[in-house]
Amino acid sequence: SQQGEEDPQALSIQEGENATMNCSYKTSINNLQWYRQNSGRGLVHLILIRSNEREKHSGRLRVTLDTSKKSSSLLITASRAADTASYFCATANAGNMLTFGGGTRLMVKP
Amino acid sequence: GAGVSQSPRYKVAKRGQDVALRCDPISGHVSLFWYQQALGQGPEFLTYFQNEAQLDKSGLPSDRFFAERPEGSVSTLKIQRTQQEDSAVYLCASSLLFGGRKGNQPQHFGDGTRLSIL
Repeated sequence: SQQGEEDPQALSIQEGENATMNCSYKTSINNLQWYRQNSGRGLVHLILIRSNEREKHSGRLRVTLDTSKKSSSLLITASRAADTASYFCATANAGNMLTFGGGTRLMVKP
Repeated sequence: GAGVSQSPRYKVAKRGQDVALRCDPISGHVSLFWYQQALGQGPEFLTYFQNEAQLDKSGLPSDRFFAERPEGSVSTLKIQRTQQEDSAVYLCASSLLFGGRKGNQPQHFGDGTRLSIL
């Protein structure tokens, strides 16, 4: 069974706009990770945020984590057509086993 | 190679046949994971190895599923007497260390094997 719920399930924006995706989870976590998956390909790790961190940045990505609400968000700024993909959050336990949400399908129109 | 390699990329089998899916992890990676991804869904954990030891197989759907990693590098996921519900993409991932530093290890994924059971 999947741990998290992603919201929205699908998102369509224009190039240059920002995209925000949200993730909620159910159990306590060690860390939370975001992955991207292009159609027909494997997942690519984007960013990891530890349970004692609240915000993290990497290039055009900004991730927040609220452990009291068991939620996280991924913000992609100044989106590009190449950002079109599915985005998954995944929670990790101490053994580094990942539990994924259902994903957000992002389409960035040129 | 530079990344995780999976073969074959596509596999079509008739119901009842056995299949074997191969994963070559990144050299030196201790941990290896198998996931199953249904169409339009997120990956779901199947099993996990630390070197040659299978430490968790709680996600395997039935006893028709079997995984091994005999020398602690290449892994094979075998499905016996395949059923239509086995149709999915099977993803393999590896990471450098087990847990280690409180589990803060990103996983590196292969492109998966798309299995279709007719």
